[in-house]
Amino acid sequence: GAVVSQHPSWVICKSGTSVKIECRSLDFQATTMFWYRQFPKQSLMLMATSNEGSKATYEQGVEKDKFLINHASLTLSTLTVTSAHPEDSSFYICSAHDSPKQPQHFGDGTRLSIL
Amino acid sequence: KQEVTQIPAALSVPEGENLVLNCSFTDSAIYNLQWFRQDPGKGLTSLLLIQSSQREQTSGRLNASLDKSSGRSTLYIAASQPGDSATYLCAVSNSSASKIIFGSGTRLSIRP
Repeated sequence: GAVVSQHPSWVICKSGTSVKIECRSLDFQATTMFWYRQFPKQSLMLMATSNEGSKATYEQGVEKDKFLINHASLTLSTLTVTSAHPEDSSFYICSAHDSPKQPQHFGDGTRLSIL
Repeated sequence: KQEVTQIPAALSVPEGENLVLNCSFTDSAIYNLQWFRQDPGKGLTSLLLIQSSQREQTSGRLNASLDKSSGRSTLYIAASQPGDSATYLCAVSNSSASKIIFGSGTRLSIRP
């Protein structure tokens, strides 16, 4: 089945650091990738939708200058949390699909802890 | 605006029991509905996907139903096992290209 790989799975860093998270589709071409954030005991909230070769579409309330998304190829999207602060600590999950009519496949998530 | 609600938020049952998880959504014009499983600190595993034209889907001990007119879906788990312990998320999509809206999940614990 379709596999989405997310890296790293866990990162701890100091406040002010920028952190990059990678999301790769391993056995299919992902025309669209999605980035979600999940706070403890809460559900997933969509942050942005990215289509290969174009700018990401951000959900209301998500700062595009803080959460930089790049989808330069059909198999890779990256989310960079710039100048991360403790309030950015969360579980970030990506998903991808090769066609709008196909279900999204999810990565295993990245736990980000900002000290 | 589509909203998805899951009740109960948490459920604990003894091993072997059959159980039902509930999901409701406010906008009945959905494209599809999915049930996911999430283990602690992990990503999501898709369990069942129901298209808007379908009434139910089955996979092993799992059965998901969909009643669009009433804005409800249920996930039935038969003969529950401790390995079924996880958070179960319901999610709907309003069109083939639209985003998925997730419910807040039901944390299920199966007692041995």
